[in-house]
Amino acid sequence: DAGVTQSPTHLIKTRGQQVTLRCSPKSGHDTVSWYQQALGQGPQFIFQYYEEEERQRGNFPDRFSGHQFPNYSSELNVNALLLGDSALYLCASSLGQGASEEQYFGPGTRLTVT
Amino acid sequence: GENVEQHPSTLSVQEGDSAVIKCTYSDSASNYFPWYKQELGKRPQLIIDIRSNVGEKKDQRIAVTLNKTAKHFSLHITETQPEDSAVYFCAASWNAGNMLTFGGGTRLMVKP
Repeated sequence: DAGVTQSPTHLIKTRGQQVTLRCSPKSGHDTVSWYQQALGQGPQFIFQYYEEEERQRGNFPDRFSGHQFPNYSSELNVNALLLGDSALYLCASSLGQGASEEQYFGPGTRLTVT
Repeated sequence: GENVEQHPSTLSVQEGDSAVIKCTYSDSASNYFPWYKQELGKRPQLIIDIRSNVGEKKDQRIAVTLNKTAKHFSLHITETQPEDSAVYFCAASWNAGNMLTFGGGTRLMVKP
């Protein structure tokens, strides 16, 4: 039973560039949430995708956008990168939006913006 | 929106002692309270969770208590072991599959 996978593992970008991060949910899950975890802090919710639509959004600017594909995998796009975007980006999957089952986290993508 | 505060930020205990981490939340609509353990460079892993219709839940050496009236919940680890050393995060949500609001984390160090 495949867990949540994310790619790439690490990424280095320059300020102003754009980046795309990818997530494949746990087998059987259809909902994907993205979180940003700055060093030494708790994860912060970015947004959640269900049925290929953004269903919930945290307090992040519209430089952060996403997509969910028919196979439930998801992408997180960040435009016009800032130094402050350097963080661990975590994807979490669950079954059904607002369901009672727990969210499973992927290993994360470490983004460094220089 | 929801706000979760977590204390202490660091906790050092001797192997075999107990550890307690406390969290408070602000939104009375929250009804799901998970605890995650995150080892250095690894993903957060759910260790225990509690829902608002339950006051206490235990799983071997780990227990969580919830006081809905006071809006706080706590993680209790008994007979701590060096492998319990990690960062622990509490979180709150109005359902398990919805957005989680995390506390700031507690770095637990268990000294052998």
